Amino acid sequence: EDQVTQSPEALRLQEGESSSLNCSYTVSGLRGLFWYRQDPGKGPEFLFTLYSAGEEKEKERLKATLTKKESFLHITAPKPEDSATYLCAVRSNTGNQFYFGTGTSLTVIP
Amino acid sequence: DTGVSQNPRHKITKRGQNVTFRCDPISEHNRLYWYRQTLGQGPEFLTYFQNEAQLEKSRLLSDRFSAERPKGSFSTLEIQRTEQGDSAMYLCASTQSGIADTQYFGPGTRLTVL
Repeated sequence: EDQVTQSPEALRLQEGESSSLNCSYTVSGLRGLFWYRQDPGKGPEFLFTLYSAGEEKEKERLKATLTKKESFLHITAPKPEDSATYLCAVRSNTGNQFYFGTGTSLTVIP
Repeated sequence: DTGVSQNPRHKITKRGQNVTFRCDPISEHNRLYWYRQTLGQGPEFLTYFQNEAQLEKSRLLSDRFSAERPKGSFSTLEIQRTEQGDSAMYLCASTQSGIADTQYFGPGTRLTVL
C-alpha cells in the first residue's frame, strides 16, 4: 500500500536557522509528490508539485527536492511567519487517491 | 479566480443528528475530493468525484456517510446519525484531471459532535 512518512514530527528553529523537513514515500509508481502548508484551523495551501527524481522547485525561502525514495523541503533563513504544519502527499500511477503524511509542525522563534 | 469554498465553516451538533456540508470547487475543475482530518493527522481520503460520478470511496467511509455532486458542480457530504468520533475537520479539494493533478483545498468545515 502507498505510504508517506514525515520527519521530524515537530521542529523548532531560531529565526534565520536553516533546516530541512523529510518526506519518505512508498508508492507503486509515482505520479506526483505534493507539498502543502497548513495553518491552524485552515485548509492546506499548495506549495509544490514534483514529478520525477532530481526535480527541484523553489519559492521564496522554500526549496523542494525529490529522489526515488524521499523528498526534502529545505527552509533557508526562516522567519516566524513560516511557522505552520508542512504536509507531504503522493499520488501513484495506479490510482486516483492522494496519500498524506502526518506533517511536520514547524515553529520559528524570533 | 475564486478558490474552493466550503460551508458552513463550523458546525456543532448533538449526537444522533444529521449534518450536511457543501463544497464549491474551482469552476473549471472536474475532480472533487472529500477528506477528513483529525488533530495531529494528515488529511484522510473519504471519496472523490469526476464530474458527477462518484468513482471511489474509502473503506473507512461507513454507510452513515453519503456524498453527491449533482451536475458535476458543487458537492454535498451528509453524515447521518452523527457520533462523537465523527468530530473532525472535513476538507474538500478540487483538481483538473490531466493537468498537474495538483489539488487545491478549501478552508474546511469543523464538525463538533456533542
